[in-house]
Amino acid sequence: QVQLVQSGAEVKKPGASVKVSCKASGYTFTGYYMHWVRQAPGQGLEWMGWINPNSGGTNYAQKFQGRVTMTRDTSISTAYMELSRLRSDDTAVYYCAREIAVAGGVRNDYWGQGTLVTVSS
Amino acid sequence: DIQMTQSPSSLSASVGDRVTITCQASQDISNYLNWYQQKPGKAPKLLIYDASNLETGVPSRFSGSGSGTDFTFTISSLQPEDIATYYCQQYDNLTFGPGTKVDIK
Repeated sequence: QVQLVQSGAEVKKPGASVKVSCKASGYTFTGYYMHWVRQAPGQGLEWMGWINPNSGGTNYAQKFQGRVTMTRDTSISTAYMELSRLRSDDTAVYYCAREIAVAGGVRNDYWGQGTLVTVSS
Repeated sequence: DIQMTQSPSSLSASVGDRVTITCQASQDISNYLNWYQQKPGKAPKLLIYDASNLETGVPSRFSGSGSGTDFTFTISSLQPEDIATYYCQQYDNLTFGPGTKVDIK
């Protein structure tokens, strides 16, 4: 069965960086794009970007351009999201989510359990 | 960028009620719209894709309709386990609507 297992909670100081991992199992990792979505406390879902695990190509939301880097290690079927120059308003739960694209339709069918990143001095 | 609005932002209904949520896109998105359910402390769950297709394993009381700029999500008979926040999502970089919180009256 498809599973996305994310790394544990992090506490970071403002200005630091955080790297969250998402280990995939139960499917061919390189066959599906991986998205990252975050959710600040009490807020809605915010799309951050995606990575093509096959090519390593990425597409980032404009808001995060220059601060986010998405990478992958195909040998261990793991995707990574690194966010730099952290601010207090980056405090959020970060999710990875697999994209399935069929006949022009695109959706996130499997999600990780979420990783809480807290930014606090 | 395509903007999504949802209404209402929250609603309260009785068990067994029919619940309807609307999502509007700022431009024509054809049928490129998904609906998700998110329960507190949990990851979102895909319910409806391509505006009206029920994801495998999702109860048939959930349905979706619409195309172009106006979309509707319906729970035909609200159940206690349906208490959650519901989000629409469009395909332009998979951005989400602001969400609709549903609870029991």
